[in-house]
Amino acid sequence: QVQLVQSGAEVKKPGASVKVSCKASGYSFTAYAIHWVRQAPGHGLEWLGWINGGNGYKKLSRKFQDRLTISRDTSANTAYMDLSSLTSKDTAIYYCARPLTGANPPDGFDLWGLGTMVTVSS
Amino acid sequence: QSVLTQPPSVSGTPGQRVTISCFGSDPNIGTNFVYWYQQLPGTAPKLLMYRNDHRASGVSDRFSASKSSTAASLAIIGLRSEDEAEYYCATWDDNLSGVVFGGGTKLTVL
Repeated sequence: QVQLVQSGAEVKKPGASVKVSCKASGYSFTAYAIHWVRQAPGHGLEWLGWINGGNGYKKLSRKFQDRLTISRDTSANTAYMDLSSLTSKDTAIYYCARPLTGANPPDGFDLWGLGTMVTVSS
Repeated sequence: QSVLTQPPSVSGTPGQRVTISCFGSDPNIGTNFVYWYQQLPGTAPKLLMYRNDHRASGVSDRFSASKSSTAASLAIIGLRSEDEAEYYCATWDDNLSGVVFGGGTKLTVL
């Protein structure tokens, strides 16, 4: 079954970091990129960045590039999103998503994880 | 403020046709493909349309999309209650070097 399975919900204090995982199954992990998109409560979608599952190339949103790390473990078919210096504004559902193809600029995302709720609260 | 501008809400009655607009500029819609997503409450987004006007796998032919210059639109005909959802347009922005989304449009079926 082709799917992306994300890690569970997290509650963090302001200033802390959070690491969310996204495990791919049912397809060749190295043939596609994994993108990260977040959605704050009651708000729209916001793109964070992507990592190429094959060569590890990364592209981060300029808004987050100072505190966002995206990585992958090809042996585990898993991508990771690590966001540091958290504030309440980072409270959101974090999704991983796979594009249709390996095109650049990226194609649409036809496979999504269920999302990981990250709550930042003191 | 989103880079792509969508109306916050649209509505229609069952069987009607509705359209959702998405306005951008040269570095984004003017240069790159547009994608549309449907998000039902409490679920992850679902790809509806890709590369301007292609329906994603399994998507009803009641959905169609188009792009002209720096604007795109999604049309839904034969509106059904199950179409009630949030709809997002998205594309790549050459200046920002990133994926950008519209602010989303809430479709209400009256």
